[in-house]
Formats: sequence, C-alpha cells, structure tokens
Amino acid sequence: QLQLQESGPGLVKPSETLSLTCTVSGGSISSRSYYWGWIRQPPGKGLEWIGSIYYSGSTYYKPSLKSRVTISVDTSKNQFSLKLSSVTAADTAVYYCARGYYYDSRGYSPGEWGQGTLVTVSS
Amino acid sequence: EIVMTQSPATLSVSPGERATLSCRASQSVSSNLGWYQQKPGQAPRLLIYGASTRATGIPARFSGSGSGTEFTLTISSLQSEDFAVYYCQQYNNWPELTFGGGTKVEIK
Repeated sequence: QLQLQESGPGLVKPSETLSLTCTVSGGSISSRSYYWGWIRQPPGKGLEWIGSIYYSGSTYYKPSLKSRVTISVDTSKNQFSLKLSSVTAADTAVYYCARGYYYDSRGYSPGEWGQGTLVTVSS
Repeated sequence: EIVMTQSPATLSVSPGERATLSCRASQSVSSNLGWYQQKPGQAPRLLIYGASTRATGIPARFSGSGSGTEFTLTISSLQSEDFAVYYCQQYNNWPELTFGGGTKVEIK
C-alpha cells in the first residue's frame, strides 16, 4: 500500500527557505503512471496547489509562487522535495505531498496524500 | 487561471437527509473535475474523479454529476461521518490544478 510521508522543519524564519521532503513507500517514484505534487493549506483556510513533478523531472509551479518554488525528485531515495524561498508569515500552512494518476499527457486529481506537516514562519 | 467557486459556503443538514453541493468553473473544464472530503486534522480524501466516477472504496451514497462549468456532489443520506468540508478541483487545465474554496457540511 502506498504511503507518503512529509518531513522537514516545523519552524522557519522569515526570509529563509522552507525545505520539505516527501518519502514514498509502497510504490516507485519512477513510475510513468503517476505524478507527484505539493499542496498547502493555511490554518482554517482552503487548499492551494503549489506544483508538481513527473518522474522525468519535468515540473510545474503555480505562477504566483513560481519565482520562489523548486520541486525536485531523488529517484535513488524514492523521494521528492519542495523548496520555497523568501518565506513570510503568509507561507504558514500545512504542507501536503500527494500522488496523482498520469495518463495520456494529463494528470488527474491526486488520490493519495501524505498526512501533512505544519510549517510555521516566525522569528 | 481557472477559478472554481463552491456554494454554499456552509450547508446545515440533518442526519439521513440529502445534501447537494455545487461547484462552478470560470470556464469549461469538461468532465475533468474531482471532489474531496476533508475532516479536521486529516488530509483530503478523493471521493470522485471524472466528475462522476467514485474513487475506490467510496460509498454509493456519494455521487457526482455535471460537465463544462456546473457540477454537483450529492450525498444521498448523510451519515454522521459525512460531516466535513468538501472541495472540488479541476484538472482540465493540467498541469495547472485549482481547488474551490470548500463547502462545510454541518449538523443541523
């Protein structure tokens, strides 16, 4: 059974870089049938798609975050990562990693999610 | 960016009653729409994809309909475990995925 687990610091200072890793178990991150994504949810608010990566390394970032976001994949460790630079209090959120089905050049709604990790931006 | 608008923001329903949730897209997303359920402290759970196909293990009381810009999630007879927040998400504009703002289903 597929499991995704987010890990990383729970507290990041303003202007620094938020770094999270999603470790995938029970499935290969190199599968051509899936893509991998990051989503966040500020406390008490809705869901925001941050971006995605395919096994080939091709990425997509939400335009409003594009200048600050990097998503990468490490196939040797079966992990993918999120880096968000120059963070502010507005980046405080629960961050989720997820897997979605990819077929015929299209990704579908992600069906498997990690439990999420709260990242607080504060000095 | 395709904007997804959900209504109402809050829906008060008695157990056993039917709940109807709406989702509207700012432009056509064909049938490339999913619905999620989220309970407090938990990750979202995929209920529906392709606008009307139930995900694995989802009870038959959940049904989705619609295409283009108007979509509906219906819960035929609300159970206690169904009180939660529901989100729609479009993936027609892949790789740009966008979520609606959510509808909270609460006990009346």
